[in-house]
Amino acid sequence: AQSVTQLGSHVSVSEGALVLLRCNYSSSVPPYLFWYVQYPNQGLQLLLKYTSAATLVKGINGFEAEFKKSETSFHLTKPSAHMSDAAEYFCAVSVTGGFKTIFGAGTRLFVKA
Amino acid sequence: ETGVTQSPTHLIKTRGQQVTLRCSSQSGHNTVSWYQQALGQGPQFIFQYYREEENGRGNFPPRFSGLQFPNYSSELNVNALELDDSALYLCASSWELGSGETQYFGPGTRLLVL
Repeated sequence: AQSVTQLGSHVSVSEGALVLLRCNYSSSVPPYLFWYVQYPNQGLQLLLKYTSAATLVKGINGFEAEFKKSETSFHLTKPSAHMSDAAEYFCAVSVTGGFKTIFGAGTRLFVKA
Repeated sequence: ETGVTQSPTHLIKTRGQQVTLRCSSQSGHNTVSWYQQALGQGPQFIFQYYREEENGRGNFPPRFSGLQFPNYSSELNVNALELDDSALYLCASSWELGSGETQYFGPGTRLLVL
């Protein structure tokens, strides 16, 4: 069975600082990994996904994530935070042949001026 | 090209009632998944429909049921509502069936059960 753990339910950074949101996964087979963002009162929007091509995945809005099999991690980073990045971020996993996507509990990002 | 739409946006029901939530897929998408997102939690997979057939189901009781229509729009029905059913219900559509497919989410229906 697959699972996702997001470390830190809340992360606070200053505007212009590095954003690092942590995600560890568990899967017995090669996974597909996703990061989604959710703004208040909205659905989820895909930031980026890993599908076994390049291990460093670049997404929208300047975000990127690196797949590290040895660490079973898929952490999300952005070099410089912007006020508009304040939102809830979800890491998710699915596997080939499976039908469901498993989401983590989410990390709320706060950006201070 | 319109995105995924859901109706209604908000709904208040009382315990024991039944509810139907609707989802219109993004144009050309034949796969729809439904999720329940309780307050402060990540989305939980309810079930998935592909070309009008249920393709898989999460750990939800049978009182959660669904339909997908020939135009690939979808419904989620919940019978005998319980207080714990209060949540944001999200539907997501994708081009095809496949674990690596990008899912496009609607804005959700917020259900409150009193």
